Amino acid sequence: GAGVSQSPSNKVTEKGKDVELRCDPISGHTALYWYRQSLGQGLEFLIYFQGNSAPDKSGLPSDRFSAERTGGSVSTLTIQRTQQEDSAVYLCASTTGSVYNSPLHFGNGTRLTVT
Amino acid sequence: AQTVTQSQPEMSVQEAETVTLSCTYDTSESNYYLFWYKQPPSRQMILVIRQEAYKQQNATENRFSVNFQKAAKSFSLKISDSQLGDTAMYFCAFMTEKLVFGKGTKLTVNP
Repeated sequence: GAGVSQSPSNKVTEKGKDVELRCDPISGHTALYWYRQSLGQGLEFLIYFQGNSAPDKSGLPSDRFSAERTGGSVSTLTIQRTQQEDSAVYLCASTTGSVYNSPLHFGNGTRLTVT
Repeated sequence: AQTVTQSQPEMSVQEAETVTLSCTYDTSESNYYLFWYKQPPSRQMILVIRQEAYKQQNATENRFSVNFQKAAKSFSLKISDSQLGDTAMYFCAFMTEKLVFGKGTKLTVNP
């Protein structure tokens, strides 16, 4: 595709359930980032991948959050035992390997609502 | 820790006028990039302009320009001839290995 694709675009889940959010980066982009945007807030860094490895997981809020990337392409962000405070828009972005020369391209996000 | 501060949660401007959005950042790095992103109601993040820290010349992109003051760690965005389509959230961001965002400024352009 031409851009970063995220699915689903909206997800409503009950408290305590697990959810998986998917990100398809732009073809050939080796770096992939996950951010969380709560209502009225900025973007909170969660994790980034360079290829399939994650050099920086420092933003993951708790051990209920995990992410993986396979084949240097698709990434999934998994939230276990969801809580109401997990409600937010989760944004994925990708770029070429050179973070100094290529800006991030963002998807449209997944809006997660935990009831 | 690397932080980005946008001190103006909301701003408004009349169409065709000029507005400046403020941004300061904190880092011990000497080589980094700075960005302004725009997020309209569609939620899509759109790159407005970027600046390399080692370049003294301020970046410009049509009606958008920055005032980069490296010693002061300041990176403000000036929008000239504001248009209704400029209404959006504007995020300042700082990048070394990861992109760190400020909390944003909500800009409204009034007709």
